[in-house]
Amino acid sequence: GAGVSQSPSNKVTEKGKDVELRCDPISGHTALYWYRQRLGQGLEFLIYFQGNSAPDKSGLPSDRFSAERTGGSVSTLTIQRTQQEDSAVYLCASSLGIDPDTQYFGPGTRLTVL
Amino acid sequence: AQSVSQHNHHVILSEAASLELGCNYSYGGTVNLFWYVQYPGQHLQLLLKYFSGDPLVKGIKGFEAEFIKSKFSFNLRKPSVQWSDTAEYFCAVNKKSNYQLIWGAGTKLIIKP
Repeated sequence: GAGVSQSPSNKVTEKGKDVELRCDPISGHTALYWYRQRLGQGLEFLIYFQGNSAPDKSGLPSDRFSAERTGGSVSTLTIQRTQQEDSAVYLCASSLGIDPDTQYFGPGTRLTVL
Repeated sequence: AQSVSQHNHHVILSEAASLELGCNYSYGGTVNLFWYVQYPGQHLQLLLKYFSGDPLVKGIKGFEAEFIKSKFSFNLRKPSVQWSDTAEYFCAVNKKSNYQLIWGAGTKLIIKP
């Protein structure tokens, strides 16, 4: 079956520009997660959506970062006024939203801020 | 703060060697434990997981891991590695009923043919 998909796969932008990253979760998965992975580091949690509940935004590093999930499916992560330190791979995962749960990952979007 | 430690950042082995990658976590209480693998140019894939029951879990491609609660460890093992095992391996942990996974920094494994 189809896995988690993300677009674009690569994004190069100039400092100060806004970017939007998209995630399509596995059909039927109610939970969706965004992570950031900097070079040589583990995954850093950004935000979590579960069904119609308010998202857990506790991992967002600044107010330049925001995310939404429309219709309980597709999610968009937006970074405003990008900075060079935002350069990283942004990973999306989805899961069934049960306990215990297993997250399934997309291929990621590699963001480079010049 | 809760953390997950993978002590080896880079491991180089020859084919047919045995593998053990360490993973330790700092939580008390009951946890779920995961190993994920990222092959070159591919996305993160689940290798194996432990939720409860037998502390020795078997995953794909001949990998296994043992949960030792007293040592807060979940080490990954494979008796005989292959060149195709070259990848980065990540350990991740969450508390029961808590969706937030805490990740180790990863171990890059290189298998020499």
